[in-house]
Amino acid sequence: QVQLQESGPGLVKPSQTLSLTCTVSGGSISSGGYYWSWIRQHPGKGLEWIGYIYYSGSTYYNPSLKSRVTISVDTSKNQFSLKLSSVTAADTAVYYCARDLRGWLGPWGQGTLVTVSS
Amino acid sequence: EIVMTQSPATLSVSPGERATLSCRASQSVSSNLAWYQQKPGQAPRLLIYGASTRATGIPARFSGSGSGTEFTLTISSLQSEDFAVYYCQQYNNWPPLYTFGQGTKLEIK
Repeated sequence: QVQLQESGPGLVKPSQTLSLTCTVSGGSISSGGYYWSWIRQHPGKGLEWIGYIYYSGSTYYNPSLKSRVTISVDTSKNQFSLKLSSVTAADTAVYYCARDLRGWLGPWGQGTLVTVSS
Repeated sequence: EIVMTQSPATLSVSPGERATLSCRASQSVSSNLAWYQQKPGQAPRLLIYGASTRATGIPARFSGSGSGTEFTLTISSLQSEDFAVYYCQQYNNWPPLYTFGQGTKLEIK
């Protein structure tokens, strides 16, 4: 079965770029049929969709974050990545990656907490 | 942006009883609605998509209904492992802008 695992720094300084990678196992990103999404959850709060990518590289982003977000894919490594620039404390959250089949999300990675602090 | 509103914020139910959770969309999302379960320290787990289709491996005690702007998640006989936070999510937009409800915490009465 497909499993996803996020990785990346847990601490990022304000104004810098947050970079995370999601590694997919048990299935190939390039097999098609699925999108690959990033979602975040602020501490003790609800869920916010960040955006998704298809294996071909086409992307869609949440307009509220679009100016700062880049999602990319590396099919040779079966990974997709998130970059969020100019971060502030408001970007402190648990970041999840998930498989996306036409809008519904599953499975999800376990999540990784990213704290923005100097 | 489509706003999703869940009610109640907290629901207290005894094990073995039925739980009914509600989700309302600010405009029609047709049947493009999913439900997720999240336990403390864990990622959300997909329960329902297409408003009423159970995801793989989800027990039959979970059922979803509704269309348009009003949706319901019903858990027919609560088990101890069902106490968690539940989120609804719509995926009706094009271009996509998925939005989630604020969650309903299902707690033991």
